[in-house]
Amino acid sequence: ETGVTQTPRHLVMGMTNKKSLKCEQHLGHNAMYWYKQSAKKPLELMFVYNFKEQTENNSVPSRFSPECPNSSHLFLHLHTLQPEDSALYLCASSQESGGANEQFFGPGTRLTVL
Amino acid sequence: GQNIDQPTEMTATEGAIVQINCTYQTSGFNGLFWYQQHAGEAPTFLSYNVLDGLEEKGRFSSFLSRSKGYSYLLLKELQMKDSASYLCAVMDSNYQLIWGAGTKLIIKP
Repeated sequence: ETGVTQTPRHLVMGMTNKKSLKCEQHLGHNAMYWYKQSAKKPLELMFVYNFKEQTENNSVPSRFSPECPNSSHLFLHLHTLQPEDSALYLCASSQESGGANEQFFGPGTRLTVL
Repeated sequence: GQNIDQPTEMTATEGAIVQINCTYQTSGFNGLFWYQQHAGEAPTFLSYNVLDGLEEKGRFSSFLSRSKGYSYLLLKELQMKDSASYLCAVMDSNYQLIWGAGTKLIIKP
């Protein structure tokens, strides 16, 4: 256990569905991250929140919408996804962003878009 | 552009030693991380190097040469549980982590 939990662990959705991924960290960290991990590809940073403020959006399509209500919770809202969005979505947290801080990862949500 | 290169897959024998290389080209450098990721699980932190040289932590060691843009992870006395993917990541001048695609390490008895 890394202190970062994600739900659901697996999700299958159609292209017209709306769903949300949830991440919670119990480490007292101030920065949270969403990554996309596709097979045999590097981790792709999607969003960064530092002290609840979004500090990074790496040209992610608008069908992905993040929400950070407080420093412990992070959501990723999904709508009208495409089959190529099927991947493992990882949440991570660190003490702060913008520094050489180790990131702690959750177990991920395996998303399949039909 | 920014680039991290590491071998896609390696095979080693239980009890042996294996070295996983990582070369990088990034805009600036604020440290290099190694993470381990077992299949279906979260990546977990192994090591962090920001100065040249070797950092030893039990059976695992990590080396960095900033002038060569090169690092390696050395695993000694390999155990079956070391079968996993090993991810190299470099923190660039903006403190963003640039990730390699990972090296899948297969340990055979």
